[in-house]
Amino acid sequence: EAGVVQSPRYKIIEKKQPVAFWCNPISGHNTLYWYLQNLGQGPELLIRYENEEAVDDSQLPKDRFSAERLKGVDSTLKIQPAELGDSAVYLCASSRDHKETQYFGPGTRLLVL
Amino acid sequence: GQQLNQSPQSMFIQEGEDVSMNCTSSSIFNTWLWYKQDPGEGPVLLIALYKAGELTSNGRLTAQFGITRKDSFLNISASIPSDVGIYFCAGRYNNNDMRFGAGTRLTVKP
Repeated sequence: EAGVVQSPRYKIIEKKQPVAFWCNPISGHNTLYWYLQNLGQGPELLIRYENEEAVDDSQLPKDRFSAERLKGVDSTLKIQPAELGDSAVYLCASSRDHKETQYFGPGTRLLVL
Repeated sequence: GQQLNQSPQSMFIQEGEDVSMNCTSSSIFNTWLWYKQDPGEGPVLLIALYKAGELTSNGRLTAQFGITRKDSFLNISASIPSDVGIYFCAGRYNNNDMRFGAGTRLTVKP
């Protein structure tokens, strides 16, 4: 069974540029999560989807961040415009439902110059 | 922000030594989880604990769910070089989202 797939693995952009990250969850997993992981810290939840519905986006900075999961499978996280402080690892995770074990993807490492 | 205090922040040990790390919280949880993260990868679940006082093993790893429900411990016996990585605790209350600690960075010297 394939794990959670994320792309790109690395991204370097200049500040004020837009950037997008893509996640393909494990087949059959209804719940999808986007986490932010700053250097030396644990992951922090940005948004949780149950199928195509965003059920918890309270930690998502909505002025510059947006996310979508149109068909309840793949998801995209976007930052526009990126700021220097957005440099971090963006992790995607999925689970069968919110009560079940979460499986993480390898993450996208973003560097904003 | 982070609600879990994980210690120690880092450990440097010799191969073959045992390792202990812990996680404490000001809030109670009814699920504790321990993850390991290798460089350039996402966290991988090692052990999940669902009941206060529970002691669970996974090979050389043993984790315990504290009686107060505000702490958890992870022990690694007879460490080997591939144990190197960052170990995260995570707590969860009912169906709320997981909260992660800041991690313990483990280095094992051959």
